Amino acid sequence: ETGVTQSPTHLIKTRGQQVTLRCSSQSGHNTVSWYQQALGQGPQFIFQYYREEENGRGNFPPRFSGLQFPNYSSELNVNALELDDSALYLCASSLGERALETQYFGPGTRLLVL
Amino acid sequence: AQTVTQSQPEMSVQEAETVTLSCTYDTSENNYYLFWYKQPPSRQMILVIRQEAYKQQNATENRFSVNFQKAAKSFSLKISDSQLGDTAMYFCAYPSGGGADGLTFGKGTHLIIQP
Repeated sequence: ETGVTQSPTHLIKTRGQQVTLRCSSQSGHNTVSWYQQALGQGPQFIFQYYREEENGRGNFPPRFSGLQFPNYSSELNVNALELDDSALYLCASSLGERALETQYFGPGTRLLVL
Repeated sequence: AQTVTQSQPEMSVQEAETVTLSCTYDTSENNYYLFWYKQPPSRQMILVIRQEAYKQQNATENRFSVNFQKAAKSFSLKISDSQLGDTAMYFCAYPSGGGADGLTFGKGTHLIIQP
């Protein structure tokens, strides 16, 4: 059984640029959730996808967008990067529409915006 | 707003001791799950233990157990016979909005196990 994987592991961007982060869900899981974790804080929910549709969203602006593909892998896109977007971005996969089951996390992507 | 409170920013104990991490939460939902996750310096979030709120019996997983007090909305984690590898950030979390709003996390407790 393959766990959740994320790419890239680290990324450096400048303010105003766009970035795409990628996540492969655990085998058999059909829900992917994305979180932003600032230094010294707990993760904050960005949004989640179930069977290619966004079915939940946290308090993040529209410049944070995503996709889920038929194989349940997912992308997080962030446009017009701001300095405050510097954080660890975590992807988690689970089974079921409402992500009530255990979420399994990937190793994260560390994004630095200069 | 639904919240999770972890009142201990940092704790330090000696190897082999028992330590309890506290967590309180606020939800209006009736059926839900509660989770403890561990995040070591490698930063990958790892599930430690899960409790289903409709079950009265406290969950246990080897050296890890919880003390779940539903009426008090309290969900503490006890680690017995602590080991150096238990050093990590520990987060309490539960699914908000019936699971539609992702997991709500506390701010975490940094646990340090001293040799």
